[in-house]
Amino acid sequence: SAVISQKPSRDICQRGTSLTIQCQVDSQVTMMFWYRQQPGQSLTLIATANQGSEATYESGFVIDKFPISRPNLTFSTLTVSNLSPEDSSIYLCSVGGGYTFGSGTRLTVV
Amino acid sequence: TQLLEQSPQFLSIQEGENLTVYCNSSSVFSSLQWYRQEPGEGPVLLVTVVTGGEVKKLKRLTFQFGDARKDSSLHITAAQPGDTGLYLCADRDDKIIFGKGTRLHILP
Repeated sequence: SAVISQKPSRDICQRGTSLTIQCQVDSQVTMMFWYRQQPGQSLTLIATANQGSEATYESGFVIDKFPISRPNLTFSTLTVSNLSPEDSSIYLCSVGGGYTFGSGTRLTVV
Repeated sequence: TQLLEQSPQFLSIQEGENLTVYCNSSSVFSSLQWYRQEPGEGPVLLVTVVTGGEVKKLKRLTFQFGDARKDSSLHITAAQPGDTGLYLCADRDDKIIFGKGTRLHILP
């Protein structure tokens, strides 16, 4: 199965700033998924990223807040923009329809 | 919108005991998955089941899928501290919907 390298593993950011999270996969994949896991909660799908097309966002998530790039079949970034304390969560990427997840990025907004 | 309910929400038991956690869906599963997530890590897929009534075993873990494909259970025999984690059930179709999980803590 694929191996994902996700960076950074954690960060503390000031409100109003942005954080960009990177996921690098060791093989080519068609779709990459981005999830949010709020404290003590389960995973919620933010968007699905296909290479060469715009990401598809789930209800409640918008591109202006969570822009995604997918420049090739092994890499994707998720940016969380205009940060507020409510954005403090773990963000995870996934490939293979859930078979493989990154180790997550723990974001704390102060 | 499909809802996945997991119970119990929290479970703390002594090492060596047996336990069962449950997952119920408001609609029929397309493909049921169970994951375990440890602190600071992403979820790790344990099993995928598709057929109603199916039982799968993974060492001390037994996964059962209901005949109607709307419910599932995970039974752990002789729990060990390494079993500690968040257990998530999920429905996988074109995307994955997760339940809220059962947070399991095994006391040594």
